[in-house]
Formats: sequence, structure tokens, C-alpha cells
Amino acid sequence: EDKVVQSPLSLVVHEGDTVTLNCSYEVTNFRSLLWYKQEKKAPTFLFMLTSSGIEKKSGRLSSILDKKELFSILNITATQTGDSAVYLCAVVPNTGNQFYFGTGTSLTVIP
Amino acid sequence: DGGITQSPKYLFRKEGQNVTLSCEQNLNHDAMYWYRQDPGQGLRLIYYSQIVNDFQKGDIAEGYSVSREKKESFPLTVTSAQKNPTAFYLCASKSPGAGELFFGEGSRLTVL
Repeated sequence: EDKVVQSPLSLVVHEGDTVTLNCSYEVTNFRSLLWYKQEKKAPTFLFMLTSSGIEKKSGRLSSILDKKELFSILNITATQTGDSAVYLCAVVPNTGNQFYFGTGTSLTVIP
Repeated sequence: DGGITQSPKYLFRKEGQNVTLSCEQNLNHDAMYWYRQDPGQGLRLIYYSQIVNDFQKGDIAEGYSVSREKKESFPLTVTSAQKNPTAFYLCASKSPGAGELFFGEGSRLTVL
């Protein structure tokens, strides 16, 4: 059975800290892994990682994919209170039709 | 602006009543999805549709029904058969190829 596991479930840090969020997966015929940020309502897209793009960076956020060990990490440096959110990881198999989500990591950044 | 519109944002219903959640998109996406989100849990797939007049059950389809009569619209009906319907419901559509999901703002359903 396909499975996506995120850790930790929740995290509280101070502004300026660096955090690393983890996502491990077991998916038959992997196609891509996606990271989303969910603040209140709609998740917003952050990154998509595939076999041809295993590292992405945007400002203070970066992500890598390890296809051999079947995991991805999302790094946030110099955290700000606006980074407080639930971060969701989703994996897409080769059929491309379904997205398997993890339970998310709840990040709280305190001033 | 292009996007996904869900309505209503908040909905209260009595036990035994059916309720329909609306989802409309103007992104010209073929694929549309309904997810349920409960506290401490990830997104769980209810139904998805790859094309008009076709849809497939997800992991938790029992007690729900959908239709896809138009490309832009994918309404979800929560029936009285759904034992625990209080949840946050998210609709999404997918860009072509191996694209990402775009989400609506969600509908929060509370059963009294």
C-alpha cells in the first residue's frame, strides 16, 4: 500500500532558527513529490521534485529529493512568523492521477 | 482571475440531511478532486474526475456522491449515509501532465 509519512508532526521554533521537515514515502512507480504550505485554508504550492529535478530553492526555502532512500526534506532558513503553517508533502505515482498526502507538519514560529 | 471557487465556506447541517458543496474552476483543467481534511490527519481523497462524465472513488468515498456534467464544475454531495461528516472539504484541480494541484479555499461542514 502506498504511504507517505511526515515528521515531526509539530514543531515550535524561534524566529531566525533553521528548520528541516521530513517526508518519507513508499509509492509504486514514483513520478513526483510535491510540497505545499497550508496557513488557514487552501494549500499553496511550494515545490515539485522529480527524477530530473531533485533539488529546488526559492528564497529561504529549499528542498531535496533522495530517490534512492525514498525521502525528501524541506529546509527553511531564518524562519519568520509568517512561516507558521502546516506543511504538506504529497507523492504522485506514474499514473499521475492520484496524489498521496502525508499528515503534515505543523510549524509554529514564535517571535 | 483564474482559480477555484468553493461554496459555501461554512455550512451547518442537521443529522440526516444531505448537503451539496460547490466547486467551480476557470483554469480549464480536466482533472478535479475532492479531499477531506480532519485535525491531525492529512488530506484524504474522496472522489476524483479526469474528464467530464467520468469519476472514480477515492479512499473514503462511502457516504459521498459527485457528478461531472461540465468541465468547470465538480459538486460533492455529503449524504446522510456519511457517519461522521463534520470536516473541512477541499476541492482541487490539476494542470496537464505531471502538474501540481490547485486548491480552492475549502468548505467547513459542521453537523449539529
